[in-house]
Amino acid sequence: SQQGEEDPQALSIQEGENATMNCSYKTSINNLQWYRQNSGRGLVHLILIRSNEREKHSGRLRVTLDTSKKSSSLLITASRAADTASYFCATDGGDSSYKLIFGSGTRLLVRP
Amino acid sequence: SQTIHQWPATLVQPVGSPLSLECTVEGTSNPNLYWYRQAAGRGLQLLFYSVGIGQISSEVPQNLSASRPQDRQFILSSKKLLLSDSGFYLCAWSVGQGAYNEQFFGPGTRLTVL
Repeated sequence: SQQGEEDPQALSIQEGENATMNCSYKTSINNLQWYRQNSGRGLVHLILIRSNEREKHSGRLRVTLDTSKKSSSLLITASRAADTASYFCATDGGDSSYKLIFGSGTRLLVRP
Repeated sequence: SQTIHQWPATLVQPVGSPLSLECTVEGTSNPNLYWYRQAAGRGLQLLFYSVGIGQISSEVPQNLSASRPQDRQFILSSKKLLLSDSGFYLCAWSVGQGAYNEQFFGPGTRLTVL
C-alpha cells in the first residue's frame, strides 16, 4: 500500500487564494519530500523536510511536519495559474534503503 | 550542471514485442538510479533502483528487467510487452546514501502497448 496519501485528491481554487494539501504516512520516516509534476512531464523537487524539523519555507511554499500524527501539509500562498500541477509527497520509509515512496498526489487547478 | 536524458519520449508497441528504454545522466558520478512507472492520474510506482554498476534492486515482480552497464546509464527492458505495461516511465537519479536527498527526474517516456 502507499506510504504517503495526499488529501484532497483534487483542488480547484481562484488565482490569489492559498492552496493547502495534506499528506499522511504510515511508518516512521527520516525525511519527507514534496514534488510537483506538470501534466505529462517529469517531477520537480520542491522541498525536503527532515523528521526533526517542524516547518520549512521556500518562497511561497510552506511545509509543516507533524511526526506524532504522521502527517505533513504543503501550503502555496498567493497561488498563480502557473501553479496548476499535481503535487506529490514522498517519504523514505524510515529505513536506510534508497527508496522513496510516493503518494497518489493532489491535482491542483488554479483558475485565472 | 547535471542533466538527465530519457528516450524515446513516446512509444507505441504491440503486445508481445520487446522494449528498451534508456536513461543517461550527465554531470555527476556514481549516482543512484531509479525507474518508476506512473499510471494515468496516479502516483509513482518504484520498479527498480541501482546504487552502482551491475547492482539492480527489483521492487515489483513483473516481466520487466533493468540493467546498468555503465555508471550513468540505466536501461529498462522487456522481452515481451503486456497490455498492462502501458504507462508513463520515469527515470530519476540522486546522490548520497539512502533516500536522504532529493531525486532528479527525467522527462519521461509515454509507453502505449496495443
